[in-house]
Amino acid sequence: GAVVSQHPSWVICKSGTSVKIECRSLDFQATTMFWYRQFPKQSLMLMATSNEGSKATYEQGVEKDKFLINHASLTLSTLTVTSAHPEDSSFYICSALSGIAGNEQFFGPGTRLTVL
Amino acid sequence: AQSVTQLGSHVSVSEGALVLLRCNYSSSVPPYLFWYVQYPNQGLQLLLKYTSAATLVKGINGFEAEFKKSETSFHLTKPSAHMSDAAEYFCAVSRNSGNTPLVFGKGTRLSVIA
Repeated sequence: GAVVSQHPSWVICKSGTSVKIECRSLDFQATTMFWYRQFPKQSLMLMATSNEGSKATYEQGVEKDKFLINHASLTLSTLTVTSAHPEDSSFYICSALSGIAGNEQFFGPGTRLTVL
Repeated sequence: AQSVTQLGSHVSVSEGALVLLRCNYSSSVPPYLFWYVQYPNQGLQLLLKYTSAATLVKGINGFEAEFKKSETSFHLTKPSAHMSDAAEYFCAVSRNSGNTPLVFGKGTRLSVIA
């Protein structure tokens, strides 16, 4: 099946710094990628929809200036958490939409962010 | 609006016993339904999906689920649990087969006892 990677898999940063998370579709092109956030022992909540070459669409309550999304190519979307705070500590998961495989979403392995 | 309710945040079964994970959905349009499995510190893996074809859907690892419109349910079953089935399971719904975001349930953690 299609493979989606995320980098880094785990990051620890100080409060106030910015962190960039990459999501790559390794063997297919994805015009659409989704970013989800998962708090401990909770479900995944959609943060934003990322479309190649256009601005991301954010869900209600998600600050677009804090969570910057860039989908500059058909295989790469990045999520930058700006001025991170401890409450941003979470598991961030991306998914990429494969137009070939029946529009199935393929999920990355996730990035665990810990803000001290 | 669409939503998913998973009954039971934690289910424990003995190895070899039947696995039943419950999922009920709410949708204003014909739903597409999914079950995903998540192992610790990993992303989600698709187990199976319902896309308005057969109501009984067979997935990977011996899992299957039955879509029951009258009950708005999509319960996940496996006849005989294996230790390797211990994981978190998420039911999800979307408006179509995949190109819209998924709405997830809160998840059910499955424990398998030897």
